[in-house]
Amino acid sequence: NAGVTQTPKFRILKIGQSMTLQCAQDMNHNYMYWYRQDPGMGLKLIYYSVGAGITDKGEVPNGYNVSRSTTEDFPLRLELAAPSQTSVYFCASSSTQGRQNTEAFFGQGTRLTVV
Amino acid sequence: GDSVTQMEGPVTLSEEAFLTINCTYTATGYPSLFWYVQYPGEGLQLLLKATKADDKGSNKGFEATYRKETTSFHLEKGSVQVSDSAVYFCALRVRGAQKLVFGQGTRLTINP
Repeated sequence: NAGVTQTPKFRILKIGQSMTLQCAQDMNHNYMYWYRQDPGMGLKLIYYSVGAGITDKGEVPNGYNVSRSTTEDFPLRLELAAPSQTSVYFCASSSTQGRQNTEAFFGQGTRLTVV
Repeated sequence: GDSVTQMEGPVTLSEEAFLTINCTYTATGYPSLFWYVQYPGEGLQLLLKATKADDKGSNKGFEATYRKETTSFHLEKGSVQVSDSAVYFCALRVRGAQKLVFGQGTRLTINP
């Protein structure tokens, strides 16, 4: 029962470096999401996807890119890391049953520090 | 737009105390409401949910009732335990929408 798996768990980047946060789910969910969690600010949606080949911007997409080539994987790309991207990143997935969207399942998070 | 407001934290209680964490919302449509819990070092887990007015969600001794007239979904537990120490998030999803909208989270610490 892997659920949603994120890698890495921790990462330190230098300003201007790039990296990809990996996310995979094994529940055959059509929806996948990336959130960032800043202290005292709750979770903000970065990007989401309603299925393979389809992605859309959330509330805070600037500085990030995503792709969804398969149902299982939804990587998040940071091209030019900035200190403002220091945060904890959560990937989540959910599915639809009829017209209802089911509960979201979250990964354990990636703690990213940009110095 | 859609938003969720939770009571300010952190909240510190003694074991066996009564807990209330307030949550109010604004929504453009008819939302489903959720409480998620985040234990230290882990991701978020669904604690309970309610999908229509007057529904009561419950799990692990926690309860919340969907109050459309007051646009609220307050979380309650009659007797908290040390193991309930975590961050609690109230969230909504408007019917037909894909994304969850979260409150800012409330950190709860229970002392023995």
